[in-house]
Amino acid sequence: GAVVSQHPSRVICKSGTSVKIECRSLDFQATTMFWYRQFPKQSLMLMATSNEGSKATYEQGVEKDKFLINHASLTLSTLTVTSAHPEDSSFYICSARPNTPRFGNEQYFGPGTRLTVT
Amino acid sequence: DAKTTQPNSMESNEEEPVHLPCNHSTISGTDYIHWYRQLPSQGPEYVIHGLTSNVNNRMASLAIAEDRKSSTLILHRATLRDAAVYYCILRDGGGSNYKLTFGKGTLLTVNP
Repeated sequence: GAVVSQHPSRVICKSGTSVKIECRSLDFQATTMFWYRQFPKQSLMLMATSNEGSKATYEQGVEKDKFLINHASLTLSTLTVTSAHPEDSSFYICSARPNTPRFGNEQYFGPGTRLTVT
Repeated sequence: DAKTTQPNSMESNEEEPVHLPCNHSTISGTDYIHWYRQLPSQGPEYVIHGLTSNVNNRMASLAIAEDRKSSTLILHRATLRDAAVYYCILRDGGGSNYKLTFGKGTLLTVNP
């Protein structure tokens, strides 16, 4: 149980285009999801907290107009990287915290999306 | 957020126990100690967590010092599939609206 999926697993796009990444909780509902970014050889950095039905909360230094987050349902959050540039190339990972106590109070992570901007 | 300190890397041999240390001298009374691991090119995976008492599950054991200023993740018999970066994270247990702050973790290498 407590499975989180991401789509796509990897994407290559041209500079200046936008890319959407989906994060789904498959067997639980999650009011709160999180988006992280991880550069090579570095740790995960929290970008934003996504709340169903309300605006996302962004960490300091993360541009909200560049990284658009939509949490339209209790099982889906999307991250759109707008006007992507090569420096946005990274490994993007989402996590979700189940609403029900059955899965405890843990965060469950998706497998990640490798974004390469050329 | 309370900070944790872990060795950058450790090595182990297959089928031997591994003890991964974590120092968290500024831990507060409501902080839970969480361990996650991240295999190459994958998202992190929950391993174990505890508050005061030692904990065991099918993946590992967590030994927490009496003063809670340090803890040790124990893998009883390392396998090649346990090669990963292990993160020790403190989570404020005061509410459900918490964030996880990842440090650099410990890169565990398992030799065949």
